[in-house]
Amino acid sequence: LAKTTQPISMDSYEGQEVNITCSHNNIATNDYITWYQQFPSQGPRFIIQGYKTKVTNEVASLFIPADRKSSTLSLPRVSLSDTAVYYCLVGDKGYSTLTFGKGTMLLVSP
Amino acid sequence: KAGVTQTPRYLIKTRGQQVTLSCSPISGHRSVSWYQQTPGQGLQFLFEYFSETQRNKGNFPGRFSGRQFSNSRSEMNVSTLELGDSALYLCASSSGPANEQYFGPGTRLTVT
Repeated sequence: LAKTTQPISMDSYEGQEVNITCSHNNIATNDYITWYQQFPSQGPRFIIQGYKTKVTNEVASLFIPADRKSSTLSLPRVSLSDTAVYYCLVGDKGYSTLTFGKGTMLLVSP
Repeated sequence: KAGVTQTPRYLIKTRGQQVTLSCSPISGHRSVSWYQQTPGQGLQFLFEYFSETQRNKGNFPGRFSGRQFSNSRSEMNVSTLELGDSALYLCASSSGPANEQYFGPGTRLTVT
């Protein structure tokens, strides 16, 4: 599984757009990029998954450049409830084992 | 559809004891994975079961074991508890190996 690197923490204010970038230089051809969100004392929650270009759902967008060596999770107009740890994972879509890094602690302030 | 449930939610045990944690996956999900989360090591994969068979195993000592029943419910057991086993134990289920995993709320184990 490719190793990922994310910022340890980020700060934002309510209503702003937040972009969290993840580096994965050794991503393999079959690997997908998946983001999870975790609140304190809760299990992680799937946010979005993509392979290339751009993926959007009702919660977030995922931007993946052509070389796929990085990806950016975009959260539009964050609220206080978006304060959480965000994990970037890279692996074959068929994988059943999730390897979590340290994640990015996002703090949203009023 | 009910989510993944884990019991108990909180548990306090003494060193040397053993503990069994239970996980009920989302109805129809046949894959169940277990993870340990600690402040120092983060989220670490323990093992995964699919159709009652252990399919993958993480790098944990043999004191950690698990099983899955025919109804896909899973249990994990930790024997001879150590202080370092204090952690949040998370269970996740999925409908198949290629699909996203849904996590339960976890069991907070404290070993004293």
